[in-house]
Amino acid sequence: DARVTQTPRHKVTEMGQEVTMRCQPILGHNTVFWYRQTMMQGLELLAYFRNRAPLDDSGMPKDRFSAEMPDATLATLKIQPSEPRDSAVYFCASGLNEQFFGPGTRLTVL
Amino acid sequence: KQEVTQIPAALSVPEGENLVLNCSFTDSAIYNLQWFRQDPGKGLTSLLLIQSSQREQTSGRLNASLDKSSGRSTLYIAASQPGDSATYLCAQASGTYKYIFGTGTRLKVLA
Repeated sequence: DARVTQTPRHKVTEMGQEVTMRCQPILGHNTVFWYRQTMMQGLELLAYFRNRAPLDDSGMPKDRFSAEMPDATLATLKIQPSEPRDSAVYFCASGLNEQFFGPGTRLTVL
Repeated sequence: KQEVTQIPAALSVPEGENLVLNCSFTDSAIYNLQWFRQDPGKGLTSLLLIQSSQREQTSGRLNASLDKSSGRSTLYIAASQPGDSATYLCAQASGTYKYIFGTGTRLKVLA
């Protein structure tokens, strides 16, 4: 049963700390997305990759966020330094046409 | 600016009713439209994908239609059940695979 996996599932950290979230896309999927979901803003696209190349990261605050795909089985989203307003659920999704979502990382920045 | 709007924002119906959820989008250069379900505290589950060349897709009690000329998609749920209670989101993709999500419709089906 192929699925997108994300680690960690929950993360509590203090303001100023670095946070790294990881995603393993479904094998064979060539597009990987990072989203952020909050009550106020809903689901926002942060960045996405196709064949490991970044296509669009205009949704990310670039001074503190970075997204990479070091290989086809791993995508990372890093926040440095983290701020309380970054508290949200971060989802990774992968797909060819149809998107499949991971379970999310719930981030709390104190 | 591309926007996706979902109406109603919330809906409460008795079990057994047929219901329609609406999704409107402003970008006519649609590549595909996908409907999702999200349970509280969970990720999104894909329900149906309609490609731009298609008019509708069906899966079990669910039917989704796409009308590009009017910028609308509808999700029809037949014979609703309490287990259908969730938030339903639609997402439109442009030719660059960039997805824009609606704010969702929170559905509650009463037993």
